[in-house]
Amino acid sequence: EVQLVESGGGLVKPGSSLKLSCVASGFTFSSYGMHWIRQAPKKGLEWIALIYYDSSNKYYADSVKGRFTISRDNSKNTLYLEMNSLRSEDTAMYYCAKEANYDGTYYYFDYWGQGVMVTVSS
Amino acid sequence: DTVLTQSPALAVSPGERVTISCRASESVSTGMHWYQQKPGQQPKLLIYGASNLESGVPARFSGSGSGTDFTLTIDPVEADDTATYFCQQSWNDPYTFGAGTKLELK
Repeated sequence: EVQLVESGGGLVKPGSSLKLSCVASGFTFSSYGMHWIRQAPKKGLEWIALIYYDSSNKYYADSVKGRFTISRDNSKNTLYLEMNSLRSEDTAMYYCAKEANYDGTYYYFDYWGQGVMVTVSS
Repeated sequence: DTVLTQSPALAVSPGERVTISCRASESVSTGMHWYQQKPGQQPKLLIYGASNLESGVPARFSGSGSGTDFTLTIDPVEADDTATYFCQQSWNDPYTFGAGTKLELK
């Protein structure tokens, strides 16, 4: 059974940093791209970062580029999101998600973690 | 960015057929996917590649469309289908989601 378990969230002040972790099990973690997706309270979903299976490429949404860093440790089956210079608008539930693809062309998210809440407030 | 527009809410009776629409601001080919999110839970994949049913998802769910207009159909609707449904495109960068359609049962 595929499981993704996030941790590391909490209440922080604007301008501070936080590092989220996502431990994966039930699949060959080192073979799949992984994503972070967030959802502000009562809002929709926003994709924020992608890391290739081998860390060779990383992509970010403009809203977090230069402040957030995605990384992974395949030996530990763990995905990370380092968040710096946090703002109130970063307040959200953060989900890690496993990537799947259809026809080698269309990418989607076939498994999601339960999410971890990050609140940025003074 | 590709904007995905969904109607905000629908109310239907159990046993009825419901269609949830998603319109893209530009073509996404068949790179459209649908997720169900129940309160307090993470999203769950229902449909990928516009019309492919994810393993384990009831056949009551189906998807159609290509280009800019897509539809998720639930037939028949059951009480357990109360949730918010999101479309997501992966044809254009960055990946984007619709704002969600909240489905309520009468």
